[in-house]
Amino acid sequence: AQSVTQLGSHVSVSEGALVLLRCNYSSSVPPYLFWYVQYPNQGLQLLLKYTSAATLVKGINGFEAEFKKSETSFHLTKPSAHMSDAAEYFCAVINFGNEKLTFGTGTRLTIIP
Amino acid sequence: SQTIHQWPATLVQPVGSPLSLECTVEGTSNPNLYWYRQAAGRGLQLLFYSVGIGQISSEVPQNLSASRPQDRQFILSSKKLLLSDSGFYLCAWGVGNNSPLHFGNGTRLTVT
Repeated sequence: AQSVTQLGSHVSVSEGALVLLRCNYSSSVPPYLFWYVQYPNQGLQLLLKYTSAATLVKGINGFEAEFKKSETSFHLTKPSAHMSDAAEYFCAVINFGNEKLTFGTGTRLTIIP
Repeated sequence: SQTIHQWPATLVQPVGSPLSLECTVEGTSNPNLYWYRQAAGRGLQLLFYSVGIGQISSEVPQNLSASRPQDRQFILSSKKLLLSDSGFYLCAWGVGNNSPLHFGNGTRLTVT
């Protein structure tokens, strides 16, 4: 079954600095991958998705992610962090044929003023 | 546009009491429906999913159950809550294969 691993349960960056949140996938076939964001006491909001089209995917709020098959990675980036980006971020992979989404354990992003 | 409603937002229940959490989706037909639980520091755990009325797949054996009495209604239940049932419960919907899920705002359940 497909799975994802998020490296770093907590990441802190200064306001205006680059945001890099890491996600590696495990799949025997090209996967469909997603990034979600969760603000405190709220549900998850889809940031972006990779569905085997362009390898560089642009999402909402200035985030983007690049699918790298050679590295089995799908890292999330944003050039300049804003205070409003403070949240928890989840990488997820779809399991083909059974409509189930498997999530990583999440990365909590803190923005330092 | 599609919307998902989940209630209540917060709930405090004693051990041994019953539970009923409800989720409804508007603006789409025959969605796939999901219940996830999020415990502190443990990510999201898929509890149940449903691809149609009366069709429930259980991912984790436990004292919870789910039902789908109508196309766009998904209910999470328990006859007797345990302390370990505390957590943040999220309902989600999706359409078709390989599509992203859309989440409700969640229910914070505290079992005391």
